[in-house]
Amino acid sequence: DTGVSQNPRHKITKRGQNVTFRCDPISEHNRLYWYRQTLGQGPEFLTYFQNEAQLEKSRLLSDRFSAERPKGSFSTLEIQRTEQGDSAMYLCATLWAVGGEQFFGPGTRLTVL
Amino acid sequence: EDQVTQSPEALRLQEGESSSLNCSYTVSGLRGLFWYRQDPGKGPEFLFTLYSAGEEKEKERLKATLTKKESFLHITAPKPEDSATYLCAVQGVNTGNQFYFGTGTSLTVIP
Repeated sequence: DTGVSQNPRHKITKRGQNVTFRCDPISEHNRLYWYRQTLGQGPEFLTYFQNEAQLEKSRLLSDRFSAERPKGSFSTLEIQRTEQGDSAMYLCATLWAVGGEQFFGPGTRLTVL
Repeated sequence: EDQVTQSPEALRLQEGESSSLNCSYTVSGLRGLFWYRQDPGKGPEFLFTLYSAGEEKEKERLKATLTKKESFLHITAPKPEDSATYLCAVQGVNTGNQFYFGTGTSLTVIP
């Protein structure tokens, strides 16, 4: 499969725990995005990487959220001290070039109890 | 800030009943407008990219068009398998690398 993959697909955690999600992009794509999506809403931008550099972060992004992309390949998104409001689908998308279309992974569904 | 508004929020069609979905946008210099299809519990699936007013793209029963203020996704003779949420997104020249998504139109096609 040469598409974008995300792991785990589902995560249930208790409030206050830390969670980490992984995204493996399409190999030729050097641009990677993380989004959060809640029911009935469109994807909300969280952060953007070009290769290993994190170039943009949403102003709304809490400091409990951190993302990395070591060596410009896979990326991880960590949420510390989870809150019930963090429950959402977390989507990763990658693209080849500016102006091009994004290809999304299947998402990680997070449920915070 | 770039904005995207989609209408209607939900649409129910009989199989074979053609209709259009609307995406109105505000952006300071359009780099691209994108249409996606999203099935429940899955990531969005890319459909079309439009770059300039007057541009049209077609794929099977779907046709996307673009003006300076809005885009339409026309669905001709829809089938039940076209049921999904259709998302519109824009990227502006002056707003970095961000994509701004609308809230989507939930389409249900009844056999």
